[in-house]
Amino acid sequence: AQSVTQLGSHVSVSEGALVLLRCNYSSSVPPYLFWYVQYPNQGLQLLLKYTSAATLVKGINGFEAEFKKSETSFHLTKPSAHMSDAAEYFCAVSGGNDMRFGAGTRLTVKP
Amino acid sequence: EAGVVQSPRYKIIEKKQPVAFWCNPISGHNTLYWYRQNLGQGPELLIRYENEEAVDDSQLPKDRFSAERLKGVDSTLKIQPAELGDSAVYLCASSLDGTGLDEQFFGPGTRLTVL
Repeated sequence: AQSVTQLGSHVSVSEGALVLLRCNYSSSVPPYLFWYVQYPNQGLQLLLKYTSAATLVKGINGFEAEFKKSETSFHLTKPSAHMSDAAEYFCAVSGGNDMRFGAGTRLTVKP
Repeated sequence: EAGVVQSPRYKIIEKKQPVAFWCNPISGHNTLYWYRQNLGQGPELLIRYENEEAVDDSQLPKDRFSAERLKGVDSTLKIQPAELGDSAVYLCASSLDGTGLDEQFFGPGTRLTVL
């Protein structure tokens, strides 16, 4: 069975600051890992995914994530936050057909 | 290319009433998912279809929930009767296949409020 834990339900950063959203996973098989973003009143949109190729994955909107097997982590980062990054972010894990989502982290960007 | 379409966007009903949600996936996507998203939580899978076959409905509360995907395209999710605890956002998603590698495309969801 797979699961993810997102550390911190709320993260607040200043515009231009580093964004770091934490995700730890548990999986009995080599995992596929995903980050999705959800803007208010919208569905989820894929930011990036890890599928056992390069451990550093680059996604849309300047986001990237690094798969660290030894730490069972897949943290999401962006060097410089923009006001438009304010949203809910979900980490997800799949061991095949079944995708499990974390509880989400709400990112607030202060001017 | 049109995305995943869901209707209605919002629905308010009294408890014990029936309700239905409709989803039109992206053209050509064989796999369709229904998720429930409670406030402050991530989506939880209710049912997954491969074409018209429900291949994973283990999390669907079958006493009151039902779903269908006729002709392997559009899908309908029904609740009868609705309970207060069913208040949530119901998300539909689709993907080319269900291998787990493939990106899931989500619709905007239906926000259900049960009074």
